[in-house]
Amino acid sequence: QQPVQSPQAVILREGEDAVINCSSSKALYSVHWYRQKHGEAPVFLMILLKGGEQKGHDKISASFNEKKQQSSLYLTASQLSYSGTYFCGTDILNDYKLSFGAGTTVTVRA
Amino acid sequence: EAGVAQSPRYKIIEKRQSVAFWCNPISGHATLYWYQQILGQGPKLLIQFQNNGVVDDSQLPKDRFSAERLKGVDSTLKIQPAKLEDSAVYLCASSLSDSNQPQHFGDGTRLSIL
Repeated sequence: QQPVQSPQAVILREGEDAVINCSSSKALYSVHWYRQKHGEAPVFLMILLKGGEQKGHDKISASFNEKKQQSSLYLTASQLSYSGTYFCGTDILNDYKLSFGAGTTVTVRA
Repeated sequence: EAGVAQSPRYKIIEKRQSVAFWCNPISGHATLYWYQQILGQGPKLLIQFQNNGVVDDSQLPKDRFSAERLKGVDSTLKIQPAKLEDSAVYLCASSLSDSNQPQHFGDGTRLSIL
């Protein structure tokens, strides 16, 4: 079952922060985050496992809230290179197969 | 390390024709995935291989799509006959194993059906 991402799109100035949410109607075992630039392959950012851990990758971090069946991706002090479409992939059956959301398009402007 | 290689990058065919895509995963990666990504949507899993065996093909339209992974390395995905709704980017990904490992994607094949 496909997770729901919000917002669909966000426009930022360099240095601003943003939050992308990924919500599931089912309990989550893991959440994977990827970023895809136009015409390129999705690039892995991080995996969060059941247990509420928070992970970081440079100034991009994420949290996993089991109760809310949700993960959030935090873009802090955004850089031009953060532009792209962010996808969350969720495992709801603990079978390591991912269903991806429709994506959130982030545009960072100078 | 070399990434996931896919070819061709682009393909244009007419409906009812057949087409094949090729994928070479990262060396040593046991798990290989084929995804379909329609414009404006996230990737949708078509088939997953563990070595040369199929783990999941529940979302593969088996009346027209087929895939194989010979010797547990390279893989091909075929569509025959193609329909207009098959226009999409076909992404191949690989991972070390099938348990919570990062998936590494290739650049994909953009398929246009006329």
